[in-house]
Amino acid sequence: AQKITQTQPGMFVQEKEAVTLDCTYDTSDPSYGLFWYKQPSSGEMIFLIYQGSYDQQNATEGRYSLNFQKARKSANLVISASQLGDSAMYFCAMREINTNAGKSTFGDGTTLTVKP
Amino acid sequence: DGGITQSPKYLFRKEGQNVTLSCEQNLNHDAMYWYRQDPGQGLRLIYYSQIVNDFQKGDIAEGYSVSREKKESFPLTVTSAQKNPTAFYLCASTSHEAGSTDTQYFGPGTRLTVL
Repeated sequence: AQKITQTQPGMFVQEKEAVTLDCTYDTSDPSYGLFWYKQPSSGEMIFLIYQGSYDQQNATEGRYSLNFQKARKSANLVISASQLGDSAMYFCAMREINTNAGKSTFGDGTTLTVKP
Repeated sequence: DGGITQSPKYLFRKEGQNVTLSCEQNLNHDAMYWYRQDPGQGLRLIYYSQIVNDFQKGDIAEGYSVSREKKESFPLTVTSAQKNPTAFYLCASTSHEAGSTDTQYFGPGTRLTVL
């Protein structure tokens, strides 16, 4: 079974609007971390935000917030006030602390296009 | 500046040749990783190393080799046994210090093309 599922291959959003990128995960490890990365066309992977499985509050970093619903095993990324520079591919990733030898698993990504 | 460097940015190789991709970090991170990314797809783990002089195979290790003689360096060799090596290669590192979130930080990548 896929450990990380990103069901939206592509998304469009109007500039200045908010957008939600979906991510669901599958693990039986009670300790894990969830990460979102941005990959512009240049190829570099830019770390955006982190959520720990025991964190009580949703993580926020500037215009990025993570909508963490543990029971549903979802970790959606919310980008507020979209900018043209947000156009990129976005990856959700998970690291299981006690299993999977500490390796991270990445989803297939969502391509976000911000329209002017 | 602390960070991860990868060289070269673009690499062209003839079929049948081995080629080595460089990855260096000055973040004092313990663990280092190599990923392969094909166009429009996610990352797949090739090899990783948690400490110096030790490394493990990832999900797609066949046709690749690595070494970890120094904490700062984790070079990847793409051998002639790799059947389809044309791809984008990303190196990452992370700290396993107590209290760390184990966030992986990435280098800028190397785009390998086999002619």
